[in-house]
Amino acid sequence: DAKTTQPTSMDCAEGRAANLPCNHSTISGNEYVYWYRQIHSQGPQYIIHGLKNNETNEMASLIITEDRKSSTLILPHATLRDTAVYYCIVRVYNNQGGKLIFGQGTELSVKP
Amino acid sequence: NAGVMQNPRHLVRRRGQEARLRCSPMKGHSHVYWYRQLPEEGLKFMVYLQKENIIDESGMPKERFSAEFPKEGPSILRIQQVVRGDSAAYFCASSPPGLPDEQFFGPGTRLTVL
Repeated sequence: DAKTTQPTSMDCAEGRAANLPCNHSTISGNEYVYWYRQIHSQGPQYIIHGLKNNETNEMASLIITEDRKSSTLILPHATLRDTAVYYCIVRVYNNQGGKLIFGQGTELSVKP
Repeated sequence: NAGVMQNPRHLVRRRGQEARLRCSPMKGHSHVYWYRQLPEEGLKFMVYLQKENIIDESGMPKERFSAEFPKEGPSILRIQQVVRGDSAAYFCASSPPGLPDEQFFGPGTRLTVL
């Protein structure tokens, strides 16, 4: 699975959009980009995933560059409850399942 | 539909004792994963199971750790002769057949070894 690089920490003002970058320059053509987050002391929570098209769901939007070497997770209106560690994970999607390899992630602090 | 359930939420053991951690996947989910998070460290994959089968145990320590997911009942992560270094949060995740990559995590079991 491709390696990802994320900033260690970021701040965001409450109500503003939080844009979390992820670099995955060695991504292969069949690898998907996944985002999870872990709110302090809780289990990780799935947010979104995509291959090459931009994706949006009720939680967030995922923007993947055309060359797929980087992506951005966007939380459109961050709240204090979005304070968490956000993990960008790149891996192959297949019907045999498979492990998630978590890096250090980005610690997002949403401030009032 | 209840989420992934883990019990106990907190477990205290003395060195040399056994720890049994249980995970009940979401209804209809046949894939179970176990992850460990040591204090101040990231999440590390341990093992991936389907009903009655271990699919990937590449992250399991070679000794003292075992996992099962029987046909009936919860998945069990068993740690024999615990040592202080086993103190960690252990998370279970499950996923349904057909969508194995959207893993739903439980609240975790915090193991403390005295």
